[in-house]
Amino acid sequence: DQQVKQNSPSLSVQEGRISILNCDYTNSMFDYFLWYKKYPAEGPTFLISISSIKDKNEDGRFTVLNKSAKHLSLHIVPSQPGDSAVYFCAASPGANAGNMLTFGGGTRLMVKP
Amino acid sequence: NAGVTQTPKFRILKIGQSMTLQCTQDMNHNYMYWYRQDPGMGLKLIYYSVGAGITDKGEVPNGYNVSRSTTEDFPLRLELAAPSQTSVYFCASSSRMRLNTGELFFGEGSRLTVL
Repeated sequence: DQQVKQNSPSLSVQEGRISILNCDYTNSMFDYFLWYKKYPAEGPTFLISISSIKDKNEDGRFTVLNKSAKHLSLHIVPSQPGDSAVYFCAASPGANAGNMLTFGGGTRLMVKP
Repeated sequence: NAGVTQTPKFRILKIGQSMTLQCTQDMNHNYMYWYRQDPGMGLKLIYYSVGAGITDKGEVPNGYNVSRSTTEDFPLRLELAAPSQTSVYFCASSSRMRLNTGELFFGEGSRLTVL
C-alpha cells in the first residue's frame, strides 16, 4: 500500500513551458513534504520542501503547492532541458522529518529543447 | 568535501553469497541511512542510525544488517543474498539541523544484482 503516490510515471514538456508534477498521499499523519531530484547514475538531491500549514513555497523557478486535500504539486517555470530528471515526492510526520521519509515512485520529466 | 561515498558502484552476487556495501561520509553528520530503490518504486528505508553505536530498523530490514562504529562509516551487510535483494542501494546522511527539514545527502548508489 503506497502512502505516497506519483501517478504519472513520466511527463514531457517543451523548453520554456511550465512543468507540473503531482503527488498524492493517504496518511493523515504526514505534515511535511519534500521534493527530490535525481539524475541518472547519481543519488537524489533535495529540491524544495513545504510544511502542511503552508500552501506555497517558492525557490527560484520551483514552486511547491499544497492547496488541495492530500495533494501536492511541484511547478517548474520556465522548464529547462537541464531539469530533465526523475522527481521524487516524499512525506514525513514532521518531527525529525529525515528519519521518517516515505517516498513516492517518482516521475520522469523530459524537457525538450 | 567528497560528501557521501559508496562502494562498490556495481556488484553481481550469486544466491547465498554475502557481501558488505560500504558507506562513508566526511560531513560529520550524526544521522545516516540506507535505502533501496526498486524499478518504478520509491526509495524504501532499510536501516538508519542516529549516531555511532546506535542503529534502528526501517521499513524493509529483513535480510540486512548494519553497524555504526564510527560517525563516518555505516556499512550494510547482506548475509545470504537472494534475488529479491536485486536493487539499487543508496546511503544518505544528515545533520541535526537538516534533519528537521528532511534534507538528506545521498551517495551515488550501488547497483546490486543477485543471480
